[in-house]
Amino acid sequence: GENVEQHPSTLSVQEGDSAVIKCTYSDSASNYFPWYKQELGKRPQLIIDIRSNVGEKKDQRIAVTLNKTAKHFSLHITETQPEDSAVYFCAARSPPYGGATNKLIFGTGTLLAVQP
Amino acid sequence: SQTIHQWPATLVQPVGSPLSLECTVEGTSNPNLYWYRQAAGRGLQLLFYSVGIGQISSEVPQNLSASRPQDRQFILSSKKLLLSDSGFYLCAWGVPGVVGGYTFGSGTRLTVV
Repeated sequence: GENVEQHPSTLSVQEGDSAVIKCTYSDSASNYFPWYKQELGKRPQLIIDIRSNVGEKKDQRIAVTLNKTAKHFSLHITETQPEDSAVYFCAARSPPYGGATNKLIFGTGTLLAVQP
Repeated sequence: SQTIHQWPATLVQPVGSPLSLECTVEGTSNPNLYWYRQAAGRGLQLLFYSVGIGQISSEVPQNLSASRPQDRQFILSSKKLLLSDSGFYLCAWGVPGVVGGYTFGSGTRLTVV
């Protein structure tokens, strides 16, 4: 099945700097890659996603890039602010096999700390 | 609009006691439903998913079970809790056949003592 690896596990940046989180996936048939932000004690919330037919997507200060050949995708946050501090999860949507439904397989998370 | 409800928010249970966590979705029909567990400082592990009433798929062998007695109701259960069952349990729903993310419930923080 799909396996998603995420790096780094923790990331500390100064306010205003950029932050980059990287993920790799194993199933070349995966076709959808969302990113979630989870604040302490709260539910994960979708912040941006990308489909396999797109190489890059941007939404204000956040962007995601996808390299299908290398099977990796990255989250880029520019001009970081203290409220960006949270745990970020990447995920890959593995297609249904053997009648099963598609599933989101998550990375292990990155704790981002933005220092004021 | 669609909403997902999950309860209770927190739970402290002794080892060996039973467990029942409930999740309901409103505003949609025949959703795909998922249970994830997040251990302290760890990632999101998929436990169960369901594509319809009575249809449950288990992702990992464990001390837990799931049931879907109604279209928009998903229940996570255990007959006897273990210490290792402690964690943050999240229910999520997705639209069948649509390439998109899941929406998560607010979660249940379970502490087994």
